[in-house]
Amino acid sequence: DQQVKQNSPSLSVQEGRISILNCDYTNSMFDYFLWYKKYPAEGPTFLISISSIKDKNEDGRFTVFLNKSAKHLSLHIVPSQPGDSAVYFCAASPEYGNKLVFGAGTILRVKS
Amino acid sequence: NAGVTQTPKFRILKIGQSMTLQCTQDMNHNYMYWYRQDPGMGLKLIYYSVGAGITDKGEVPNGYNVSRSTTEDFPLRLELAAPSQTSVYFCASSPATGGSEKYTFGSGTRLTVV
Repeated sequence: DQQVKQNSPSLSVQEGRISILNCDYTNSMFDYFLWYKKYPAEGPTFLISISSIKDKNEDGRFTVFLNKSAKHLSLHIVPSQPGDSAVYFCAASPEYGNKLVFGAGTILRVKS
Repeated sequence: NAGVTQTPKFRILKIGQSMTLQCTQDMNHNYMYWYRQDPGMGLKLIYYSVGAGITDKGEVPNGYNVSRSTTEDFPLRLELAAPSQTSVYFCASSPATGGSEKYTFGSGTRLTVV
């Protein structure tokens, strides 16, 4: 039973356009949500996070939106760059801190 | 600035063999974790530790053992390797305080059991 779901295995976007990656969760106890980015042969690295008391968090080109009623969050990358090509994992935690639950990941390809 | 170091990077095991995946961190983090990533699946938590001498099971602990004798090291032991353990294994660490964004991951160990 996947508690965090990323239903799109891959996404292809033209350089300069917006990339939107989606994530759904089922556990209403999740309180903190994160996006990690992973390049081949490397471990995941933290990208951006949002707590359940907010509905939006922005960091440069990256914005995460949270819709608690729909148990849905999304990551927007504007403008997309070829260096953004990577696997993006959505993750959630039932408490601020530890024991993250990860989604299956979405492969983003940004074409130049 | 090593962060989290995992060895080996690749390994092929025969069914029934045993091995230890090594994980060392130099950031003085109290919390350490082992995850596995299967194709098309998210990272699943195998075991975690909140400090030296303290370990606990995660979501998929069967077939694995861990120990935490020092703050720096958190080895993962496979006693009787099975094909179902073919996966990429990631070790991570985080401080005792602070948010989950402070997870630092190693670069992974790709294990194949044949």
